[in-house]
Amino acid sequence: QLHLQESGPGLVKPSETLSLSCTVSGGSISSPNYFWAWIRQPPGEGLEWIGTVSYSGDIYYSPSLTRPVMISADTSKNQFSLKLSSLTAADTAIYYCVGGPWGLRFGPDYWGQGTQVTVSS
Amino acid sequence: DVVMTQSPLSLPVTLGQPASISCRSSQSLVYSDGHTYFNWFHQRPGQAPRRLIYKVSNRDSGVPDRFSGSGSGTDFTLKISRVEAEDVGVYYCMQGTHWPHTFGQGTKVEI
Repeated sequence: QLHLQESGPGLVKPSETLSLSCTVSGGSISSPNYFWAWIRQPPGEGLEWIGTVSYSGDIYYSPSLTRPVMISADTSKNQFSLKLSSLTAADTAIYYCVGGPWGLRFGPDYWGQGTQVTVSS
Repeated sequence: DVVMTQSPLSLPVTLGQPASISCRSSQSLVYSDGHTYFNWFHQRPGQAPRRLIYKVSNRDSGVPDRFSGSGSGTDFTLKISRVEAEDVGVYYCMQGTHWPHTFGQGTKVEI
């Protein structure tokens, strides 16, 4: 059973860069056919897919995101990360790291508990 | 992006009675491999979503058989045969056929 845990700042200033990490335990992020992603949920709203990184390091970003975004994976730490730049209040949300097989086409099997990020001066 | 439209957005239910949620996609969700990557999730307040149904009609392990999914192409339905108190929360449909994967707006189910 995989366990995912997000870490990062809860409060970020407008125009700054958000950096979040997700530590995976109970399995390797390099496990064949496993994919890892970031999803966010603004307060009282629905779920938005930000991007996905594969077990082999291929990265896919949602073209709908209007901010500069970077997702990376560190196999030595069994972590994957999110950097989101030029933040505005609209980026205030709960950020979830998720994982699962088959390109996550079935949706995530595993979810972190989520981390609240507030963008405010 | 493929737009997923759920209805209704709010669903008052009665314990022991059936309930149904619809989801319509703006494009066919049949992938080139012939499979339809359409899924349902349930989110309780303060918790991360949890998948109930994958590939239209397959229940996840531990999901009660009162939940069932059906549909094809662009029109899909989640049915609860007899609502129980633990079923309250928000239900989301999600497509994994097209990139980016997208969710519906959510349907809030309350007793």
